[in-house]
Amino acid sequence: TQLLEQSPQFLSIQEGENLTVYCNSSSVFSSLQWYRQEPGEGPVLLVTVVTGGEVKKLKRLTFQFGDARKDSSLHITAAQPGDTGLYLCYNNNDMRFGAGTRLTVKP
Amino acid sequence: DAGITQSPRYKITETGRQVTLMCHQTWSHSYMFWYRQDLGHGLRLIYYSAAADITDKGEVPDGYVVSRSKTENFPLTLESATRSQTSVYFCASSESAVAGLQETQYFGPGTRLLVL
Repeated sequence: TQLLEQSPQFLSIQEGENLTVYCNSSSVFSSLQWYRQEPGEGPVLLVTVVTGGEVKKLKRLTFQFGDARKDSSLHITAAQPGDTGLYLCYNNNDMRFGAGTRLTVKP
Repeated sequence: DAGITQSPRYKITETGRQVTLMCHQTWSHSYMFWYRQDLGHGLRLIYYSAAADITDKGEVPDGYVVSRSKTENFPLTLESATRSQTSVYFCASSESAVAGLQETQYFGPGTRLLVL
């Protein structure tokens, strides 16, 4: 079993600030997905990363896959209240989600 | 409407009662999943199904039963509900779940279950 550790567990920031959240594993991922879950809804896929060192951008969100494929990060530039939600990483090798980072962006 | 739906959206029941949560998808996706979500645990897989009449256990299957007689439906039954099964339950579907294919899972809106 490949445990996923996400940090921080909670993050509360002001609109306009930058932030980074992390997903780490004790072993190598074949691939990793990031989902966002807004309050009262199901998770929605943001991105899939596959190659070590890969960087993907989705508007103000930048996803990075570690060179050794054991970690990933999500960086949000100039956060907005609409970014509020639970950010989850997922390893489809063993169908496990991390516990998530709960982000609150205050106006 | 196309998509994935769950019913009921909210359910209150008592300890020992049988409860069935419904999930329906209109995409003809092969794979369907049931997760429960509790604070501090993220989403944990209960059961999944690769096709009609094929189901398999996930991380936390005890106390739950599933069936899949039709591709589009994947009901989850709590045979004798316990307070520890109070949770939010999410159903999801994907075209595939084979490791390495990085398929997208599409989630329903969730069912909030309270067991008294």
